[in-house]
Amino acid sequence: EPEVTQTPSHQVTQMGQEVILRCVPISNHLYFYWYRQILGQKVEFLVSFYNNEISEKSEIFDDQFSVERPDGSNFTLKIRSTKLEDSAMYFCASGRASVGELFFGEGSRLTVL
Amino acid sequence: GEDVEQSLFLSVREGDSSVINCTYTDSSSTYLYWYKQEPGAGLQLLTYIFSNMDMKQDQRLTVLLNKKDKHLSLRIADTQTGDSAIYFCAETMNRDDKIIFGKGTRLHILP
Repeated sequence: EPEVTQTPSHQVTQMGQEVILRCVPISNHLYFYWYRQILGQKVEFLVSFYNNEISEKSEIFDDQFSVERPDGSNFTLKIRSTKLEDSAMYFCASGRASVGELFFGEGSRLTVL
Repeated sequence: GEDVEQSLFLSVREGDSSVINCTYTDSSSTYLYWYKQEPGAGLQLLTYIFSNMDMKQDQRLTVLLNKKDKHLSLRIADTQTGDSAIYFCAETMNRDDKIIFGKGTRLHILP
């Protein structure tokens, strides 16, 4: 069964460093998303991406964040200069349509020290 | 604004039925979802219901939607130890494509 895969599963970084989280969405999906979950809190929407551009982003997704789909298969989330409060589990998701079933990856845990 | 509320904990004896409840605020929700998250794992879509349906059954899972009261429930029949997880209620608005999640209900199974 096709699935969304994410790497790395866990990354530890120093505050101020750049981090890139990678995702391989399901191959025939057209809509891509990043969500995050700070420990013990709810899952929060970060950004949605369609047709090679951001379709919506939340207040969390400030200038430190960027997304890219560089080669038609990977979908990356970059945090330019990490802060302690960026420590969270980051989930990538993909879907065929803008409304409907989303498939989530297993998440990348980011720990900022 | 958009919000999804659910109770944080539920304890159920093995073999009994579990009922996890959720309320939401936006009446323009199109799809309502239940996701399961096991410890250290990602979000697994369990089931979803379209807003023009009242009920959906899938094996041990029954979803009930009361659109008037904006209330969604998930019933798990014959609860097993493998059902122990956090269950997230979520909704998609009609006007955009992001999913709004509740805080999750931790289901604890008693022997």
